[in-house]
Amino acid sequence: DAKTTQPPSMDCAEGRAANLPCNHSTISGNEYVYWYRQIHSQGPQYIIHGLKNNETNEMASLIITEDRKSSTLILPHATLRDTAVYYCIVWSAGNNRKLIWGLGTSLAVNP
Amino acid sequence: DTEVTQTPKHLVMGMTNKKSLKCEQHMGHRAMYWYKQKAKKPPELMFVYSYEKLSINESVPSRFSPECPNSSLLNLHLHALQPEDSALYLCASSPFTTGHYGYTFGSGTRLTVV
Repeated sequence: DAKTTQPPSMDCAEGRAANLPCNHSTISGNEYVYWYRQIHSQGPQYIIHGLKNNETNEMASLIITEDRKSSTLILPHATLRDTAVYYCIVWSAGNNRKLIWGLGTSLAVNP
Repeated sequence: DTEVTQTPKHLVMGMTNKKSLKCEQHMGHRAMYWYKQKAKKPPELMFVYSYEKLSINESVPSRFSPECPNSSLLNLHLHALQPEDSALYLCASSPFTTGHYGYTFGSGTRLTVV
């Protein structure tokens, strides 16, 4: 069963920040939050992951609430190439090391 | 080389055919995975290989038969498939089965069973 809830779709203007929310209210203390995205007809691509602290890399930032029940993926300056389905995923070694996929958010970046 | 390569990209097969999907990585990853993805759904895990041994089989029908000949190769042998098996088949790898370092996915094989 999916452990994450995401809005099914979102729109964002090119050049603006895209903020993608994810609810994971049943997350356990040893479970990480991962974000992947899938551009049409391609394989999923790793974006970022975190446990408790906020994380940033060259692609995005991940903001995790203090109670860890939700998180937000931020694409600081969205481009048309960021149009994709974004998956918020919970993972831990305790889940037989499996990624527990949500249904994803389809992000459309508009010119 | 930071890629997972899958061949073929597209495959059409009849229900009585035998075919194989191939996956290759040269990143030194010791865990490899097969996923199945239907349209507008997230990927579903099928099999996990760890150090060339099958470690997880997600109750996949026997018409799907995985094989890991060496640490760089992963095959999925297909036999007597059904039309409902038509899907995108994704291969992935990670440094360890922990997956903590992130998975690298291939672009997939689009399979159509007729």
